[in-house]
Order: sequence, then C-alpha cells, then structure tokens
Amino acid sequence: DAKTTQPPSMDCAEGRAANLPCNHSTISGNEYVYWYRQIHSQGPQYIIHGLKNNETNEMASLIITEDRKSSTLILPHATLRDTAVYYCIVPLENTGGFKTIFGAGTRLFVKA
Amino acid sequence: NAGVTQTPKFQVLKTGQSMTLQCAQDMNHNSMYWYRQDPGMGLRLIYYSASEGTTDKGEVPNGYNVSRLNKREFSLRLESAAPSQTSVYFCASSLTAPYGYTFGSGTRLTVV
Repeated sequence: DAKTTQPPSMDCAEGRAANLPCNHSTISGNEYVYWYRQIHSQGPQYIIHGLKNNETNEMASLIITEDRKSSTLILPHATLRDTAVYYCIVPLENTGGFKTIFGAGTRLFVKA
Repeated sequence: NAGVTQTPKFQVLKTGQSMTLQCAQDMNHNSMYWYRQDPGMGLRLIYYSASEGTTDKGEVPNGYNVSRLNKREFSLRLESAAPSQTSVYFCASSLTAPYGYTFGSGTRLTVV
C-alpha cells in the first residue's frame, strides 16, 4: 500500500512554477520524503529528499509542512522537458529506509 | 561514469524458460535494488540488497531470486518465466538509506 497520495495529473504553463503536492499523513518521525521523476519509459531520476526542513537543489525545491504530513515539490521555471511522471515516496516503516513503494505518481504536462 | 548498467535491454522468453538479468554499478554504492514496472503502474520492489552479502524480499518477490555477486553487481533470476512476469525491470543503487537512488535504463521483458 502506497503511503503517499498525489493528484493523478497536473498542467503547468512553460516558464511558470510547477507546484506538485503530496500527502503523507502517516509518515513516521524519522522517515524521509523522496521525489523522483520518470520521463517516458526511462528509469526514474532522483530529484530531492528531505526530513523536516525545506530543501533546495539545482533541480527543485521541497517544502515540507511543519507537521510533516504533506509536502510540495516546486519546479521554479518549468520547461517542456519537465513533462514527466513525478513520484513522491516514503519508505515503509521499520525497514531501515530500504523498502519503498512507488505509487502512480502525478503526470505533469508542461504546455507552451 | 556509466552509473547503473543493465543487460540485456530487451528480451523475449517463452513460458517456462529461465534467464538472469544483470545489473552493475560503478559508483561504489552499498545498496542495490530490483523493481518491476507494469504498463501504467508505479514501480514495485522485488528484492533489495542493503549491503554486500545481504539480500531481502521486497513487495513482490515470488518467482524471482537474486544474487549480490559483489559490491558492484546484483543479478535477478527468473527460474521459470510466466506471462505475468512481462514487465520492465529496473535496477537501482544508492550509497545507502536514506540517500536517493540512481536507476538503470531498464530491461523490457516479454514472456509469451
């Protein structure tokens, strides 16, 4: 059973920020939240992960709510190449962080 | 720097045949994983190896066996292929939990 809930699809205009939400209300205190994306049928690509603080890297920003029950991945200036399926995942409890389940994700369409 | 290399990229098997999917990483990662992805679905964990010398079952291990041959290589074996095992198989590696995964490009397996 996936531990996260994401909208099935979203649209975003090219050049605008894409904000992808994820609900993980059952997350435990020491589990990280990870984001990946998958373009066409390629292998998923790691984007970012975080525990409780907001995180930023060259690809995206991750905003985690204070209660850690939800998070938002932000692509600040979406391009057509950002069209992909985005997965928000949390490892299963008591697995040392090794067992992860990828749900259906959010299919992001970036439009010109 | 090749990252995670999977062979073969495509394979067609007849029901009952056996085969081994190969995976190798050159990033000195400790942990390795095998996932399968059915059409329109997310990824499901088959087996993982937290470190050299250890392997553990994931979400869908039935019908598969794995071998962590050394730190670099993690193979997946189908002893008697079934049509239900038609899927795209992804290998991944990580430094360890909680670091993000690097995925290979996948093996597209069809069992007829």
